[in-house]
Amino acid sequence: GAGVSQSPSNKVTEKGKDVELRCDPISGHTALYWYRQSLGQGLEFLIYFQGNSAPDKSGLPSDRFSAERTGGSVSTLTIQRTQQEDSAVYLCASSSVGLPYFGPGTRLLVL
Amino acid sequence: TQLLEQSPQFLSIQEGENLTVYCNSSSVFSSLQWYRQEPGEGPVLLVTVVTGGEVKKLKRLTFQFGDARKDSSLHITAAQPGDTGLYLCAANAGGTSYGKLTFGQGTILTVHP
Repeated sequence: GAGVSQSPSNKVTEKGKDVELRCDPISGHTALYWYRQSLGQGLEFLIYFQGNSAPDKSGLPSDRFSAERTGGSVSTLTIQRTQQEDSAVYLCASSSVGLPYFGPGTRLLVL
Repeated sequence: TQLLEQSPQFLSIQEGENLTVYCNSSSVFSSLQWYRQEPGEGPVLLVTVVTGGEVKKLKRLTFQFGDARKDSSLHITAAQPGDTGLYLCAANAGGTSYGKLTFGQGTILTVHP
């Protein structure tokens, strides 16, 4: 398939543990985005990568959240010391020019 | 922060009925998008409206962009169970990236057969 893929599709973790979420963008797409979708807050922008430029981290809610993009392709979103309020669907999206295509998301549940 | 107020939050209707979803803001947008999201999937782009007063049709879906480019509506004619899903409006959140979007809270539509 040529779409954005994310793994795992579901993740259950205990409060205080670290988690890593992976995104494989559409081949050739230079821009990559992470969003969070929760019941209370809707869909929120987290971070944006464009080529070799410094990422736009303006949406990250705290310093427990970080992301990297290796080789201009795959990206990993890391949440350290998870809290129950981190429970949400984490969506990745990618684009070349124009609007992004979204992946199916990773459903994170913090117990 | 540009806020998008979407209403109603929930819609439960019978097959064949018409419905309208609204997306309002106090900000002016250069463009506005509508997405549809089904359970377990990411949002899928339905349409982008750019010009004030613009009307776009996608089969039974009609999208309007307000003259002042501050609001938009989505009208579905003769809804079908396959229209069930979460409908989201979105607009560019600023900066140079098209994909840095602000979303409305969404409208959960259920169409009963």
